[in-house]
Order: sequence, then structure tokens, then C-alpha cells
Amino acid sequence: DQQVKQNSPSLSVQEGRISILNCDYTNSMFDYFLWYKKYPAEGPTFLISISSIKDKNEDGRFTVFLNKSAKHLSLHIVPSQPGDSAVYFCAAGAIQGAQKLVFGQGTRLTINP
Amino acid sequence: SAVISQKPSRDICQRGTSLTIQCQVDSQVTMMFWYRQQPGQSLTLIATANQGSEATYESGFVIDKFPISRPNLTFSTLTVSNMSPEDSSIYLCSVAPGPREQYFGPGTRLTVT
Repeated sequence: DQQVKQNSPSLSVQEGRISILNCDYTNSMFDYFLWYKKYPAEGPTFLISISSIKDKNEDGRFTVFLNKSAKHLSLHIVPSQPGDSAVYFCAAGAIQGAQKLVFGQGTRLTINP
Repeated sequence: SAVISQKPSRDICQRGTSLTIQCQVDSQVTMMFWYRQQPGQSLTLIATANQGSEATYESGFVIDKFPISRPNLTFSTLTVSNMSPEDSSIYLCSVAPGPREQYFGPGTRLTVT
């Protein structure tokens, strides 16, 4: 049972354009969501999070949108830069779930010059 | 945030042997976790490392295979016992200093031959 799904294994975007990464979840008990960026041979780097009581959170070039009714969230990166090329994971957690995270499969983002 | 270090960063081990991975955090945290990322896969939670008591393991993971110690609020170890090639993975520790946030160490890349 895949509770968190990232249906696009890869995404290619032109430098300077918007990158949109998507994530779907099935468990209504999740009350917060996080996005991580991961380079090969490194640990995941925290990017941005959102609580289930919000529908948008913004931090610099990164914005996360949450649609609770659709159980869908997305990460927008604007403008995309070559250094953004990495694998992006969405993760979901529940405060009542002892902060254990469930991860999606990841999306490999490639920014083309 | 939190600064997390792991030792070793990588190792190549023979089947049947054991490896102990260390995780050190720069501040005291209650919630500490161990995850595994198998090749080409997402991150999967192995266990929650509880200070002063036995770790809490997720389904599919057992203490005999992955014994965990948590002697204080800044340090934990994970041992991968009686290794087989299927244990070849990246092992990551993480901490949750507060609600809705979690930070990861750089990971230990384990190859079992």
C-alpha cells in the first residue's frame, strides 16, 4: 500500500522556467508534508514543509501547494536553476504518528541550460 | 535545524559480518530515526531510536537484525547484523527537533559482497 505517490519518475525543465513536482497521498491522517532534495551520495536536504491547515507555503523560489480535498500537493520552483537538478522526495507525517515519515518514490528533476 | 554526522560514510563488507553505524547530532533531540534507502528505491523507516528504552521497529524490521542503541539525546548507533547482499543500501539517521520538521544525516553507503 503506497500511501505517498510521486507518479513522475523524471522531469526535464528549461533553465529559468517553472518546475512543478507533484505528489499524491491516500491517508487522511497525515497532517504535515515536507519536500526534500537529494543529490547522489548525500542525505536528503529539507526544502520546505506545509501543515494540513494551510493551502500554500512559500520560501524564496520554492512554493508548496496543498489540496486536501484532492489529497494532492505540488512543489513549484521558480525560476529553475541548474543546481536544482536532483531527486526530489515528498514525505508525509502525522503528529499523532510520532513524526514517522512516509516517503514517495522520488522525481528526478533535470534542469537544462 | 540540526547538524548531523554519520560514521562511516561508506563501507564494503563481506556477507555474514556486522557493521555498526554511528549518528551524532549537535544538539539534544528526543526524536531520532533510522531509515534505509535501497538502490533505486525510496526511503523506508527502520525504527525510532528511543533514549533509555528499546527502539520501536517498523513492520519488516527486527531487533536481531538491526539492533539500535540510544545512550543519550545526541547519539545513536544502528548495527546491521549478519549481512547479506540484500542489505546493500544507504542508511540514514534523522532527527525531529520540533513538530513538522525532520533533518537527515549524510548517510552511510553500505555494500555487501
